[in-house]
Amino acid sequence: DAGVIQSPRHEVTEMGQEVTLRCKPISGHDYLFWYRQTMMRGLELLIYFNNNVPIDDSGMPEDRFSAKMPNASFSTLKIQPSEPRDSAVYFCASSLMGQGPEAFFGQGTRLTVV
Amino acid sequence: DAKTTQPPSMDCAEGRAANLPCNHSTISGNEYVYWYRQIHSQGPQYIIHGLKNNETNEMASLIITEDRKSSTLILPHATLRDTAVYYCIVIGYNFNKFYFGSGTKLNVKP
Repeated sequence: DAGVIQSPRHEVTEMGQEVTLRCKPISGHDYLFWYRQTMMRGLELLIYFNNNVPIDDSGMPEDRFSAKMPNASFSTLKIQPSEPRDSAVYFCASSLMGQGPEAFFGQGTRLTVV
Repeated sequence: DAKTTQPPSMDCAEGRAANLPCNHSTISGNEYVYWYRQIHSQGPQYIIHGLKNNETNEMASLIITEDRKSSTLILPHATLRDTAVYYCIVIGYNFNKFYFGSGTKLNVKP
């Protein structure tokens, strides 16, 4: 397996634009996580899914953020409208429940909102 | 989740053992200790985990005190590629929410 795949790796957008980040988890994994990392706040858990169902989105900063998982092999994190303070590295991770909470992370998407 | 405390940074000479401490004095009986590391700009990488016994794998060893209030991650022969931020996390085995603290920045020097 190629691991968790995120796209794009880098995204630069103007304030007010819609941004969509994509994630393909490891095949067979039943948990998917979205994290955001900034220098100020470190790694923050935004939302996680179990079997494609959102379980906890208490980390989503505000209504401008939304995440979906239409099937077991794809998830998106959308920001609309984007703001400069959304600039961060966004990581997606997946894990398999039966093997304990060992999560495998993607390489991240570096988002810059200007 | 139980709170963990780690030193913000540590130095280690290349080829020597790196010992990274973690305090988790409020850990409960069914919570595991997990270690991850994050090499610059990459996603965090799983290293090792344990409950109460010491553990060893190809990457590292984990020593957990008898009272489970602290643990030490040991990299037996640190290399320059081990320079990273190391995170100690305490979590229940069936609970999948990971919360990363600020970690320890390990600097391996030649």
